[in-house]
Amino acid sequence: RKEVEQDPGPFNVPEGATVAFNCTYSNSASQSFFWYRQDCRKEPKLLMSVYSSGNEDGRFTAQLNRASQYISLLIRDSKLSDSATYLCVVRTEGNTNAGKSTFGDGTTLTVKP
Amino acid sequence: DAGVTQSPTHLIKTRGQHVTLRCSPISGHKSVSWYQQVLGQGPQFIFQYYEKEERGRGNFPDRFSARQFPNYSSELNVNALLLGDSALYLCASSLEAGGWTGELFFGEGSRLTVL
Repeated sequence: RKEVEQDPGPFNVPEGATVAFNCTYSNSASQSFFWYRQDCRKEPKLLMSVYSSGNEDGRFTAQLNRASQYISLLIRDSKLSDSATYLCVVRTEGNTNAGKSTFGDGTTLTVKP
Repeated sequence: DAGVTQSPTHLIKTRGQHVTLRCSPISGHKSVSWYQQVLGQGPQFIFQYYEKEERGRGNFPDRFSARQFPNYSSELNVNALLLGDSALYLCASSLEAGGWTGELFFGEGSRLTVL
């Protein structure tokens, strides 16, 4: 079993749709959580951090459930420009005062006109 | 300000050869991490260096090694290349080694093809 698992996708949605991605993680000691976005053949870029109380950034809402070890990302009013792969990232702080970021395999979103 | 820069951007090697990939972090960032991304998968952690010391190592064979220089740039070395080493190698810099300040900023990657 992978440390971080995501919906396999792909998700194909029309413009304006609401879409939700899920992610589960296995290491209960994980401390920080993020969503990254990766465009085709480009590098990953931070979309948003995920806080325990949940957080929102414009059309994007992230939720964290530590008890269930579950993270979600909700995108409202999808735009064509949202088409990308969304990577769930879980960070664990190690004994050497350094963190290890573990990535899921990503969920691909295609928004169509 | 310059972001994370990696070189070379593309390279082709044959099995058994050796490769060195280079990374310059964002100015002021002290931590460099290396990731391998195979097509269709997420980035897999290889190494993290902070203040020139190895702070983390992923589940990769000893053929993979890395180092960080006094100017915080880094090299990833892979010996005895295998076909399965073909991947995008991503370098990420962060301000600190851990915690919330450990947000990763990625370079565009070095795409390695092993024939």
